Amino acid sequence: GAVVSQHPSWVICKSGTSVKIECRSLDFQATTMFWYRQFPKQSLMLMATSNEGSKATYEQGVEKDKFLINHASLTLSTLTVTSAHPEDSSFYICSARAPASASTDTQYFGPGTRLTVL
Amino acid sequence: GENVEQHPSTLSVQEGDSAVIKCTYSDSASNYFPWYKQELGKRPQLIIDIRSNVGEKKDQRIAVTLNKTAKHFSLHITETQPEDSAVYFCAASRGFKTIFGAGTRLFVKA
Repeated sequence: GAVVSQHPSWVICKSGTSVKIECRSLDFQATTMFWYRQFPKQSLMLMATSNEGSKATYEQGVEKDKFLINHASLTLSTLTVTSAHPEDSSFYICSARAPASASTDTQYFGPGTRLTVL
Repeated sequence: GENVEQHPSTLSVQEGDSAVIKCTYSDSASNYFPWYKQELGKRPQLIIDIRSNVGEKKDQRIAVTLNKTAKHFSLHITETQPEDSAVYFCAASRGFKTIFGAGTRLFVKA
């Protein structure tokens, strides 16, 4: 149980275009999902917390107009990188909290999406 | 702001030896401490976790200890195997907020 998928697994795009990444909880409902960014050989940096049915909460320094997050259902959150530039190239990983019925704060991670902006 | 410090950044051990990774956290309200293993290009996988009301937890070759007074927790891997080679992240969590350490790259030499 507690499987999280992410799509696409990798994407290459031209500078100036927008890219949408999907994060799905496959076998449980997730009212809260998290979006992280990871540079090579570095740690996971939280970008935003995605809440179903409400606006996402962004971490300091993360541009909400550039990284659009939509959590439209209890199993799907999307991250759209708008007007992507080469410096946005990174590994983006989502996670979802364990089912509400479980007495745990465990986060389950998606497989990640490697974005390369040319 | 809150942070989690993790040491060492790189650890190389001989197969069969033990490996210890240490983390300290700054937010005294943190109450959940998971450890993740991440292989190259893959997702972080939870390997063990501990809550603030417990001082130690063990799962086969993996154990975690927590010292709330010192705000310090550690991961212990015994009888290391080559497949233990990966990056390990500690984290400290309070509610919806989780802060990750910088990671430790573990090499287990056969």
